[in-house]
This record gives sequence, structure tokens and C-alpha cells, in this order.
Amino acid sequence: DIQVTQSPSSLSASVGDRVTITCRTSQSVYTNFNWYQQKSGKAPKLLIHDATTLYGGVPSRFRGSGSGTEFTLTVSGLQPEDFATYFCQQSSRSPYTFGQGTTVQI
Amino acid sequence: EVQLVESGGGLVKPGGSLRLSCTASGFSFSSYSMGWVRQTPGKGLEWVSSINPDSSYIYYRDSVKGRFTISRDSAKNSLYLQMSSLTAEDTALYYCVRDRLMGYTRWDFDHWGQGSLVTVSS
Repeated sequence: DIQVTQSPSSLSASVGDRVTITCRTSQSVYTNFNWYQQKSGKAPKLLIHDATTLYGGVPSRFRGSGSGTEFTLTVSGLQPEDFATYFCQQSSRSPYTFGQGTTVQI
Repeated sequence: EVQLVESGGGLVKPGGSLRLSCTASGFSFSSYSMGWVRQTPGKGLEWVSSINPDSSYIYYRDSVKGRFTISRDSAKNSLYLQMSSLTAEDTALYYCVRDRLMGYTRWDFDHWGQGSLVTVSS
């Protein structure tokens, strides 16, 4: 299985901050990589697919970068509604594994 | 509006069986690959199974192969997961998910249901 290592597991930030979350995969997944946001008690929502493509309706303050084995989610100008848990996922090879999540808290 | 509504979860004894259902609305169900993803506090999110639009391709994670069966009924806009030989390791919140790209299976999921809780315990 492809291991997805996400860091940090949690971080504290303030409204307006820029935050960066990193995921590394145990082998290359090219750009078959996605990011999700999950709020407490709710299902995850797709933010970015194919490593860098913003999903429809997602604010432009979210940006995905990377390829191969290292990927980054950057949120520029954190908004109150962005405090949530973020997951990354590789969609290159079965089983399609997820990172353990990063909780962004105030 | 795309909606996915799961049902069928509950408490089941080890070795037992359960069938999850997902009713879809708001999109052309027969045109999209669908799947199941489960979540636990300990293991996080795990992709479980996917099925392509015409059911000609079906995929499972190894740990559920031979025990779980995914299926779909386009006439009923419904997705199913038949689970058997359940163990405590299968205890999770099971989400029905839609694959993002119509006509393809890309394993990125743009719509999720609210989840159906499956608890395996004696």
C-alpha cells in the first residue's frame, strides 16, 4: 500500500494567517492527489483534485501544489469558516489511501 | 442539488451481515462511478470499494475482498454494500461517495453522504 504521511497533525492559527499542510507519499503518485476539508460532525468536502486544481466553488485562498511524493495545501488569509480538519488522499494506486488529517484550530 | 443518503447501518454481532444502501438524487446516477469510504477515529479515512457506471468494473480494498459486495441499481438510483463476516475492525462510519468525473473512475470524491454507522460488537 502507498503510505500517506500528513503533517502536522494539528496547528493553531489566527484569522488572516497563511497555513501550510504537507503530505508525503511512500512512492510517486504523480499528480493523482487530492485534498479534503472536514468540519466537525460533517462529511469531508473535496477542495483540490489532481494536486493543484481547485474544485468548483472552493475559494481561491486554497492552493494545492506538488507532484511525485510531496504535496502541499496552502490556505492564504485564513477565514473563520476554514477552521476544520484537512485530509489528503492519493488516487494513483489501490487502495486509495488518506493521510491522518490536520486539525486547524484557533 | 446532489444528495446521497445512506441507510442500513446498525449494531451487528461479529460474524454477522449487514447491507448498506445509498439513495442518490440531483444528478445522473447512471453516469457516475460510486463508492464507499469509511471513517474511524483510530484509522481515519479508508477507501473501501468502488463501482463504475455500468458495474463492469468493481474494486475493493484487500481487507474486505470476499466479504463485501458492492452493487448498484440505476433504476432505483441506489448503491449498495453487502457486508458479511463482519469483525470489530469493520466498525466505522460508512460514507457513500460519488466519483468526481462523469464516466470515469478517478477515485477522487466530490460528493459524500452523511454517513451510516456500523458497529460490530457482541
